[in-house]
Amino acid sequence: RKEVEQDPGPFNVPEGATVAFNCTYSNSASQSFFWYRQDCRKEPKLLMSVYSSGNEDGRFTAQLNRASQYISLLIRDSKLSDSATYLCAVNSGYSTLTFGKGTMLLVSP
Amino acid sequence: EADIYQTPRYLVIGTGKKITLECSQTMGHDKMYWYQQDPGMELHLIHYSYGVNSTEKGDLSSESTVSRIRTEHFPLTLESARPSHTSQYLCASSDTQQGSESPLHFGNGTRLTVT
Repeated sequence: RKEVEQDPGPFNVPEGATVAFNCTYSNSASQSFFWYRQDCRKEPKLLMSVYSSGNEDGRFTAQLNRASQYISLLIRDSKLSDSATYLCAVNSGYSTLTFGKGTMLLVSP
Repeated sequence: EADIYQTPRYLVIGTGKKITLECSQTMGHDKMYWYQQDPGMELHLIHYSYGVNSTEKGDLSSESTVSRIRTEHFPLTLESARPSHTSQYLCASSDTQQGSESPLHFGNGTRLTVT
């Protein structure tokens, strides 16, 4: 089983829709979780950290489910500008982050 | 937002040349990283450093080498470039945080093409 797994998508949604992605991780000792956004041919940019209690930032909500070992990202009221690849990142046992392959989101008018 | 800079942004070079990709950060972060990413593919960690004089190999075997003589500088060197080295190279840094991993802040990458 890969350390961090994501559905590559693409997720095609209309503007205004709500969309959710999951990311599963294999190391039960993982402590740190993040969501990144990556635009085509650009560097990943930190979207939000994922805390045990969940985290909300505007239209974006991140949740952690330790029992099932996954994190989720919910985007409400999708905008065209949300089209990007969303990467989850989880720390491994060697104090480095492991990234998933990313989930591509395409928001259409 | 972290200040982390990579040069050059784009590099086209012939096979067999020696190249150094530069990465500098002004945040005083202890940890620095090099990732390799092919178009549409996942990030692969190739090198990282916990601080000055510390360098470690990452998950992906790489023919490159790194050095960390100063906190702010983490250059990556390819002694003899080959077409298989064509890729995007992303440098990142993070702060030291006890008990958990801090988020990484990425530079804008170097897109390397070896002909």
